[in-house]
Amino acid sequence: EAGVTQFPSHSVIEKGQTVTLRCDPISGHDNLYWYRRVMGKEIKFLLHFVKESKQDESGMPNNRFLAERTGGTYSTLKVQPAELEDSGVYFCASSRFVTRVANVLTFGAGSRLTVL
Amino acid sequence: AQKITQTQPGMFVQEKEAVTLDCTYDTSDQSYGLFWYKQPSSGEMIFLIYQGSYDEQNATEGRYSLNFQKARKSANLVISASQLGDSAMYFCAMRGPQGGSEKLVFGKGTKLTVNP
Repeated sequence: EAGVTQFPSHSVIEKGQTVTLRCDPISGHDNLYWYRRVMGKEIKFLLHFVKESKQDESGMPNNRFLAERTGGTYSTLKVQPAELEDSGVYFCASSRFVTRVANVLTFGAGSRLTVL
Repeated sequence: AQKITQTQPGMFVQEKEAVTLDCTYDTSDQSYGLFWYKQPSSGEMIFLIYQGSYDEQNATEGRYSLNFQKARKSANLVISASQLGDSAMYFCAMRGPQGGSEKLVFGKGTKLTVNP
């Protein structure tokens, strides 16, 4: 089966501009997650979708970030307006079941965002 | 709050030798899961191994084993017979009930270099 696909792989924008990242989860995976790694720091949770509903968005940094998953398939993460501190790698992951502790996530290769 | 600590920013190992990557964790939950992911230069995060807090035996997956010491709150990854393809970043992560949150908490990672 195809893995988790993220696009673009790398985006370079100027401060104040808008960027939209896209994630295509594995087909049939109801659970979709966004994580972010800022240079030199830990990978941090942003939010979790179950189908098209936001299950947990406690990790979203502020209201400049907007995540959507219309129709419960692919998801987009929009940053508007982008700030310098938004630079990092944005990972998407998906999983089929929600079994809490033992749930294994399949990650994509990430979208690297550079804000100048 | 849950926390993962990986104290080794970088590790070197000779091909065919074994290497241990350290991971300690902090949680007040009784039920939790521990994960190791590998991130090669391609960027994709690859799941390696999982250990549940109630699992009595250490998890093993091929050349990977998890040295789980619950009293010490450590979950070290052991890679036996290292191969050049094992060169990558390795992340330790955990998940607990956390009021039902699905989020994984990651460490900062260890960069492993396998020398020929």
